[in-house]
Amino acid sequence: KQEVTQIPAALSVPEGENLVLNCSFTDSAIYNLQWFRQDPGKGLTSLLLIQSSQREQTSGRLNASLDKSSGRSTLYIAASQPGDSATYLCAVLAYSGAGSYQLTFGKGTKLSVIP
Amino acid sequence: DAGVTQSPTHLIKTRGQQVTLRCSPISGHKSVSWYQQVLGQGPQFIFQYYEKEERGRGNFPDRFSARQFPNYSSELNVNALLLGDSALYLCASSRGGLLSGNTIYFGEGSWLTVV
Repeated sequence: KQEVTQIPAALSVPEGENLVLNCSFTDSAIYNLQWFRQDPGKGLTSLLLIQSSQREQTSGRLNASLDKSSGRSTLYIAASQPGDSATYLCAVLAYSGAGSYQLTFGKGTKLSVIP
Repeated sequence: DAGVTQSPTHLIKTRGQQVTLRCSPISGHKSVSWYQQVLGQGPQFIFQYYEKEERGRGNFPDRFSARQFPNYSSELNVNALLLGDSALYLCASSRGGLLSGNTIYFGEGSWLTVV
């Protein structure tokens, strides 16, 4: 059974700092890995998707890397801003049997950027 | 274009009752997935439908069922409600199936409280 772990569970940083969020998964036979952002009481917003054949993806101040063999991904946020405060969720897409695929999420890292 | 819309946004039910949650995907999207998110946890996969066929089912009891209509909207039904079913139920849509690599868009969710 695929398990996704995110460390740390919470992180507080001053505005302007660069930071790294970590995600690990137990089964390396994944199809892709995705990072999402969730604001309190809201749905999820897709940030970056990395296919299993890729090593990294970039979007603006965000950069996500994937090391499938070690079961790890990192989300790097440059020059953090108060508006980046949210919970960041990592999810892996993998085969779950009987011809179906399943997206498995971690519990998330709650980020607070202090002005 | 409107995003993924879910209804109702909040509802309170009594143990043993039944509930139906509704989801309208973004226009042109043929894939709909349902997730349960308990407070403080990541979303848990319940069902995925693509082109009106069930393509994936998570580890949930048979009390949970879903369907996708010809217009690609979807309903999630939960029978014999338990206190533990209290959660945020999220619907997500994408243009293609999970393997397509298309961006997944989430709705704001339906908050279900079982008393």
